[in-house]
Amino acid sequence: AQSVTQPDIHITVSEGASLELRCNYSYGATPYLFWYVQSPGQGLQLLLKYFSGDTLVQGIKGFEAEFKRSQSSFNLRKPSVHWSDAAEYFCAVGLPQGAQKLVFGQGTRLTINP
Amino acid sequence: SQTIHQWPATLVQPVGSPLSLECTVEGTSNPNLYWYRQAAGRGLQLLFYSVGIGQISSEVPQNLSASRPQDRQFILSSKKLLLSDSGFYLCAWSLGGETQYFGPGTRLLVL
Repeated sequence: AQSVTQPDIHITVSEGASLELRCNYSYGATPYLFWYVQSPGQGLQLLLKYFSGDTLVQGIKGFEAEFKRSQSSFNLRKPSVHWSDAAEYFCAVGLPQGAQKLVFGQGTRLTINP
Repeated sequence: SQTIHQWPATLVQPVGSPLSLECTVEGTSNPNLYWYRQAAGRGLQLLFYSVGIGQISSEVPQNLSASRPQDRQFILSSKKLLLSDSGFYLCAWSLGGETQYFGPGTRLLVL
């Protein structure tokens, strides 16, 4: 069965520091890959997505992610975090089967120290 | 542009009571629609999805049901709520099976 693993439940970084959130997936083919962000009590906002082509994708709010087929990974990065980046981050795999159901990781909660 | 609405935003219901959560999408036609549940401190679990009016697929056997009476309306229901139904319910839409866009969510507390 398809699965998504986000190894880090909670990460704390200082404002201005770089960030990398890890995501590994298990799927028989190259899936569609997504990163979403969720502020407390809010819905999910799409940060970026990978369908095909260039393996380094740029998203909103200065985020980027790199697809590495050999490692089955899609890690999210940001060179310098801002206090407003504190939120929950979810990696998701899209299963291209008709309605394309999403399988989500458990999420990584990001805390920013001033 | 497309927008997605969910109501109510928050709901507190007693065990055994019925439930109806509504999701509507504006600005698009024939979207795929999805219901997810997010339990406290956990990821999202797909409950139902629909590719058209009256077409519902269930992902997880449970106490809930879904209906799609109109093209851009998706309803999540229960006849008798359980304590375990508490959580954050998110509706999402997509076109052609690509990127899913989420609504603001409904927080349900069953007491």
